[in-house]
This record gives sequence, C-alpha cells and structure tokens, in this order.
Amino acid sequence: KAGVTQTPRYLIKTRGQQVTLSCSPISGHRSVSWYQQTPGQGLQFLFEYFSETQRNKGNFPGRFSGRQFSNSRSEMNVSTLELGDSALYLCASTQTSGVNEQFFGPGTRLTVL
Amino acid sequence: GQQVMQIPQYQHVQEGEDFTTYCNSSTTLSNIQWYKQRPGGHPVFLIQLVKSGEVKKQKRLTFQFGEAKKNSSLHITATQTTDVGTYFCAGRKFDGYSTLTFGKGTMLLVSP
Repeated sequence: KAGVTQTPRYLIKTRGQQVTLSCSPISGHRSVSWYQQTPGQGLQFLFEYFSETQRNKGNFPGRFSGRQFSNSRSEMNVSTLELGDSALYLCASTQTSGVNEQFFGPGTRLTVL
Repeated sequence: GQQVMQIPQYQHVQEGEDFTTYCNSSTTLSNIQWYKQRPGGHPVFLIQLVKSGEVKKQKRLTFQFGEAKKNSSLHITATQTTDVGTYFCAGRKFDGYSTLTFGKGTMLLVSP
C-alpha cells in the first residue's frame, strides 16, 4: 500500500497570502488529522476529518480551515498568513479500527516571509 | 484542556548508555501511543498501551503505562546511534472518541 502523501513538500509565501495544502491518506483510511509542528511547540493538533465531516478541532484561529472529499483526500487552508505560521504541517491518516495508530505523511514545510 | 508533559526535552548519551523519557497527563487516559521521529523525517508509530500497569517490550525498548493511566515511560537499554531522534508520547482521553494529544517530545542524541 502506498503511504500518506502530501503536496507540495515545500512552500514559500509572504505575509497576507493564503495557502492550500493537500493530503492523500492511505487507501481505505477514512480519518485524516492535521498537525502543525514547530521546534518549540512540538506537534499541535489542528483538526480531524472523518467521512467528509470535521470531527474534532484544535485551538487554532479561524484562519485555519480544512475539508475532506468523498475519496478521503483532505485539504487545509490558511488565509492571511502570518510569520508565525511558518512550520511543518503534517497530515496523518488512521484506519479507525483496531489500534488506531496514525500514519504520518512527509509533511509540507511552509515558510512565510 | 488536556495537557501531556514530557521530560526531559533533550538528552545526549554515549552509545551503550541507557535512556528514559517520561510522559505525564493532566487527565486519565484511555490509551497512550509512542512515536519516533528521525531527524528530517516524520513521526512513526512505535506502540500503544491500553491497560493500567501495562509493560511492553520491543527489543531494547521497554514501554510502561502507569497504574493510574496518567503517566508512561519509554526506556531504551544500551542505546545505539540508530536510536537518535525525537520520541513523542500521545495520549487519548478517557471519554469516548477523542483526539490524540502529543507531548512536546524528547530529543535523543547518541554519540558513538
């Protein structure tokens, strides 16, 4: 089985712009979670989608949004980018049965200038 | 909200020494998972602990879940350079389905 894929892998934007990141989960996985990883804060949960519905949301401002499509692919969008949004954005898919381990993608490295 | 604290933040050992990282939750957990992230990589699942007092071993790695299901530890015996990376614990609250809350991780550096 192919792993979790994320596009693009690297992105450079300027303050005030918006960005859309994409995640394709492992085939058959219906749950997709998004995390922001920064050196000082570790992995911070953004949101989780299951069957096209947002099931859980972390403590991030409304500038951060996401969605999931019928094929379980997910996108997250960040509007009005700030310097502090520079981070590695990780997507993880889960089988939602058994152990519920999360399979992470390689991440998208976003740099905001 | 739920908090998961992990200590130490960083540890540098000589190859062959032991290493332990500790994880403490502010709330009782349903289960706890451990992940390893190599430098430049992404987190990879290691194990899940579910039962109170549970101990699991994977070769040189020993994982424990506390009796109160609020703390956990990962112990590595005789570290090797391949153990280098950041180890994260992630807890799931004991209230039906909930998200995983990650600790900030312990970065392990092993010198040969």
